[in-house]
Amino acid sequence: DTAVSQTPKYLVTQMGNDKSIKCEQNLGHDTMYWYKQDSKKFLKIMFSYNNKELIINETVPNRFSPKSPDKAHLNLHINSLELGDSAVYFCASSLKQGGMNTEAFFGQGTRLTVV
Amino acid sequence: KQEVTQIPAALSVPEGENLVLNCSFTDSAIYNLQWFRQDPGKGLTSLLLIQSSQREQTSGRLNASLDKSSGRSTLYIAASQPGDSATYLCAVSPLYNFNKFYFGSGTKLNVKP
Repeated sequence: DTAVSQTPKYLVTQMGNDKSIKCEQNLGHDTMYWYKQDSKKFLKIMFSYNNKELIINETVPNRFSPKSPDKAHLNLHINSLELGDSAVYFCASSLKQGGMNTEAFFGQGTRLTVV
Repeated sequence: KQEVTQIPAALSVPEGENLVLNCSFTDSAIYNLQWFRQDPGKGLTSLLLIQSSQREQTSGRLNASLDKSSGRSTLYIAASQPGDSATYLCAVSPLYNFNKFYFGSGTKLNVKP
């Protein structure tokens, strides 16, 4: 049983295209996240949603738009893809906002390559 | 802004050795600290979560300690095995924004048979 699943696992696309990455968690968690891991392996938070409400929006170009149709899903849509968007994107979730329940569980990542 | 540093960047040890991975952070106002392992091409697996009020957490051969005042955490791995080979990441969440994790760049561990 996959706890946090992302699709697709690999995505190769041309500059200028629009693409989406989907994320689903079956853990019953309230909070979901998108992180970006660059070529130097640094993980940086992009967005966080709690019960479908946006609570963290880091300095991310507005070409990136998260959408949470329900608390089990957090999708990431990227418009007008650029070469610099190439990275591994990780979805994560945690039960609640506080206490031990902030332990984060990650998906397997989506490797996006923009050519 | 919180900065997280992990030393060493890479470590190679023979099987059976006990080892320590280090993590330091610049702002001691943290909510918690979490250690993860990342296997090549895979996602992150949570290993241990330490609340700011705790000094250590243990799981099997793993022991993580936290010294909040000095901005340090260590991950101790006892009797290392080749299956422990992976990149180990530590992440801290700020006291004022505990939904955000700041990650270190990781320590790549290779345990030789």
